[in-house]
Amino acid sequence: EPEVTQTPSHQVTQMGQEVILRCVPISNHLYFYWYRQILGQKVEFLVSFYNNEISEKSEIFDDQFSVERPDGSNFTLKIRSTKLEDSAMYFCASSPGLINEKLFFGSGTQLSVL
Amino acid sequence: GNSVTQMEGPVTLSEEAFLTINCTYTATGYPSLFWYVQYPGEGLQLLLKATKADDKGSNKGFEATYRKETTSFHLEKGSVQVSDSAVYFCALIRLGYSSASKIIFGSGTRLSIRP
Repeated sequence: EPEVTQTPSHQVTQMGQEVILRCVPISNHLYFYWYRQILGQKVEFLVSFYNNEISEKSEIFDDQFSVERPDGSNFTLKIRSTKLEDSAMYFCASSPGLINEKLFFGSGTQLSVL
Repeated sequence: GNSVTQMEGPVTLSEEAFLTINCTYTATGYPSLFWYVQYPGEGLQLLLKATKADDKGSNKGFEATYRKETTSFHLEKGSVQVSDSAVYFCALIRLGYSSASKIIFGSGTRLSIRP
């Protein structure tokens, strides 16, 4: 069965450093998403991406965040200057269309900012 | 605003026990309700859904009934197995919306089943 792949599974970084989280969505999917879950809190939507541009973003997704699809397979989330409060589990997801029931998630990257 | 509240975990049960994981919601209008499951090392996946009041979603022996009067969507299973050990997320999406960006998730409940 096709799956969304995220690397690395764990990332530790120093505050102020840039970090890039990587995702390989399912190959024929057109919509890509990033969510995050701070420990003990709810899973929150960050950004959606379609046709090589951001289609929607939440208020969490400020200028410190950016997304890119650098080639035909990868989808990345960059945090320019990490803060302690960026520590969270980051989930990538993809879907063939807009309908939420066809959403496939990756297993997540646990980001720890020290 | 719209939100989902689910019982805190972890929940630990013995195999073949009865499971209930509580979920209540706050929403304008009549949302669609979902349960997602995340097995160890895997991504979240849709377990079941219900789109209107009194609907019952079911899958893999799990059931949840959309209760408008109590704004609840509790997840139940009559006899759990070790393989049901996972994190369970309750979620909603408002009526008229379908984009994944509009899904509102709960914080998840970790379930551990002892052999």
